[in-house]
Parts: sequence; C-alpha cells; structure tokens
Amino acid sequence: QKEVEQNSGPLSVPEGAIASLNCTYSDRGSQSFFWYRQYSGKSPELIMSIYSNGDKEDGRFTAQLNKASQYVSLLIRDSQPSDSATYLCAVGGGKLIFGQGTELSVKP
Amino acid sequence: GAVVSQHPSWVICKSGTSVKIECRSLDFQATTMFWYRQFPKQSLMLMATSNEGSKATYEQGVEKDKFLINHASLTLSTLTVTSAHPEDSSFYICSARAPGLGIHNEQFFGPGTRLTVL
Repeated sequence: QKEVEQNSGPLSVPEGAIASLNCTYSDRGSQSFFWYRQYSGKSPELIMSIYSNGDKEDGRFTAQLNKASQYVSLLIRDSQPSDSATYLCAVGGGKLIFGQGTELSVKP
Repeated sequence: GAVVSQHPSWVICKSGTSVKIECRSLDFQATTMFWYRQFPKQSLMLMATSNEGSKATYEQGVEKDKFLINHASLTLSTLTVTSAHPEDSSFYICSARAPGLGIHNEQFFGPGTRLTVL
C-alpha cells in the first residue's frame, strides 16, 4: 500500500514567519511531487510541483525534495493570514496519492 | 489555461434517487480524468480514473455499479451516483490531465460538487 504521510496539525505560525510543512512517502519509485492548497469548502489548488532533488522556489514558496530520504517539504516565507488553509502533499505519476493534509493557521 | 469546471456545484437529493455530476475541461483536451471523494476533515480519496473512449478503472472498494463514470469526449466526463443514500453525501471533485500540459504532468482540479442526500 503506497502511503503519503503528513502531520495533520494544526500548525500555527505568526504573520511574517516561515511555515514549514513536511511530507514523507513510501513508494521509492515515485517521480513527481505536488503541493496543493485547499481552502475550507473549496477544491485543491496546485501551488508547487517538484521532480528533482533539491529546492524549487516560486515567490514565497519553496519546495524541497530528498528522494533518498523519501521526504518532501514546503516552506512558506513571510506567512500571511491568507495562507491559512490545508496543505495537501501528493505523490505519483499516473495516479496521485494524497496525504491527509496539514492545517496551517497564520495568526495576525 | 487548464481550467476545469464542474456542474452542479451543489445538489440536494432524496434517498434512492440518482444524481449526475459533469466535469468539463474548458480550454484543453483531457485524455484522462479522475474522480475523487472527500469527506469532512479527510483527504481526497481517488474513486476512479477514466480515459476517453474506454471504461473507467475503479479503485478498490468503489462500487462501479453505484458510481457510473462516462468519459464520452476529450472534454467531458460524468459521474452518476445511482440510488444515492445519506452515506454518499460528500464533496466530489474531478481533475483532468493532458500530455504536455503543465510541467510535471500535473492534474488540474475542478471546483467540486457538494452532494447532500436526505
């Protein structure tokens, strides 16, 4: 059974701080990794994708991938209250396997 | 680009009736569409994968006779919940994918359909 694990949270950070979200996966052959943001009552929105080991930056977001450790993370710099949402880690190529999501709360 | 729509956005029905949900890719041709279900405070669970012109592949534990999926064209897939019961009440979300679309062959999600069965 392929699994994707995330800390369910909630993770609470003050406005302007760095939020760090973590995800581990069990299938060593996984090739593609995604972070989705989901606001309450809405569908997931893709915010980052990463394929190679290392860091990938896009604005305030940085995705980090370490295939040897089967670990992918998402850093959100200068966190804003509007970043408060559930962040879903997804792994796979053909089919996506989602983690249970980490609820992030950014306090003003 | 890569916009996926769903209709209806919400639906309330009586137990025993059937409900059809449409998923459309508006600006691209989706070779593959996925249907997910999400219960409150839980993650997305893949129900089935559908490729245009062929039968859907259902995940283990998903009743194919209850959740009918049709992917008749490259821009439209439908999910019909037959003989719906209160336990089928959930948030149903579709996604679509196409070769060469996106950087890592990612899926693009529709806005979801909230089904409430009374």
